[in-house]
This record gives sequence, structure tokens and C-alpha cells, in this order.
Amino acid sequence: NAGVTQTPKFQVLKTGQSMTLQCAQDMNHEYMSWYRQDPGMGLRLIHYSVGAGITDQGEVPNGYNVSRSTTEDFPLRLLSAAPSQTSVYFCASSPGRGLQYFGPGTRLTVT
Amino acid sequence: AQKVTQAQTEISVVEKEDVTLDCVYETRDTTYYLFWYKQPPSGELVFLIRRNSFDEQNEISGRYSWNFQKSTSSFNFTITASQVVDSAVYFCALTKGGGSEKLVFGKGTKLTVNP
Repeated sequence: NAGVTQTPKFQVLKTGQSMTLQCAQDMNHEYMSWYRQDPGMGLRLIHYSVGAGITDQGEVPNGYNVSRSTTEDFPLRLLSAAPSQTSVYFCASSPGRGLQYFGPGTRLTVT
Repeated sequence: AQKVTQAQTEISVVEKEDVTLDCVYETRDTTYYLFWYKQPPSGELVFLIRRNSFDEQNEISGRYSWNFQKSTSSFNFTITASQVVDSAVYFCALTKGGGSEKLVFGKGTKLTVNP
């Protein structure tokens, strides 16, 4: 069991570029989510999915898109990167009752 | 709206001291879950404990203990005889029960244990 995997671990983008952060889980969890962590802010929910084909917005969704075509994968797309999106991004999956298993994170810098 | 407050931004102790990390939460739900996560300097998020709103029993796991009090909306975390390896950022989090898996995190408490 690999758990939750994220790629890449580090990424540097220029303002206006687009990219996709990959997230995969092998635990057959229906629920997956994306959080961002900024200094002094804790983690904030960007988007989440309760199953394949179903996604919804979290607390800070602007500038991000998601889709969920399979149970295993939940990619996060930045359409036009901005310096304000410099952050550490965590993907998580949940077997239920709120318990989240987090991936190792992606550190993104937008210049 | 749900909210989690960790008033202690940073705590510094000397090894073997006991330390308590405070967590106060707000929710209108009657069913909810509370969590503590640890984030060591390496950056990963490590699950420590989950407690549901109907279980106010204190929990002890080795040097770690948790005190859940609904009357004061608090879910405090105590490390007994702290060690350098306990140095990390600790997050308290809250979610709804009844199928919602969304987590609301506090801003975290950075604990430094000095030798």
C-alpha cells in the first residue's frame, strides 16, 4: 500500500503558467480533498470530491480546478499561476468519519 | 460556522518538561469529530488522534494524553516528559459528523523541545 502519493514534490512556475498537481491513492477511498498550507494559516480546503464524477468547492477554490474521473486519482489544476498560489499543497483521502490520510505534499513557488 | 483556535503560536520547553497544547473549537453541530495532527520538520502530516463528540473520555497513549471537555469546547493535548523528537507543529482540527469529511484546521502550535 503506497497510501496517498503526490507528484511533483517541488515545482517552480512563472506567473501565468499552468500546471497540474497529481494525487493518487490506493486505499479505495471515496472521499479525496486538496488543502493548501500557508505560513501561520494552518491548512485550508481548496476542493474536495465525495466520489468519481463528483467534486465541490472548499474554502479557497479560486484559481484552481479539479476533476475526478476515477476513484484513485484527484488532480488539481492551476490554470494561470499567480504568486499568491505559492504554497505547500496537500492531497488527502478519507475512509470516513473525518479521518484524513495526507500525501507528502507539493511545494509550489510562483515567481 | 466552524472554527478552531490554537492560541499558542509557539512554545519552547526543555526536554523532560510536560507541555500542554490548547485547542478551542466552535461548532453548532451536535455530532462532530476532533483531531490532532503532527507536522515534524520533514513536512508530512501525521495523524495522532480522533475523538467523536459523544466520547468525552480522556485518552492516553504513551507520553501523549488528550483532554476533551464539551463544556468548555476544548480538546487539549499534553505531552509528558517531552523529547527533542516531539519538536513539530501540532494542528487541531474539526469536522462534521454525518458524512461530511471536510476538516477545519487551527493555525497550529509550533513546539520546540530543547535538549
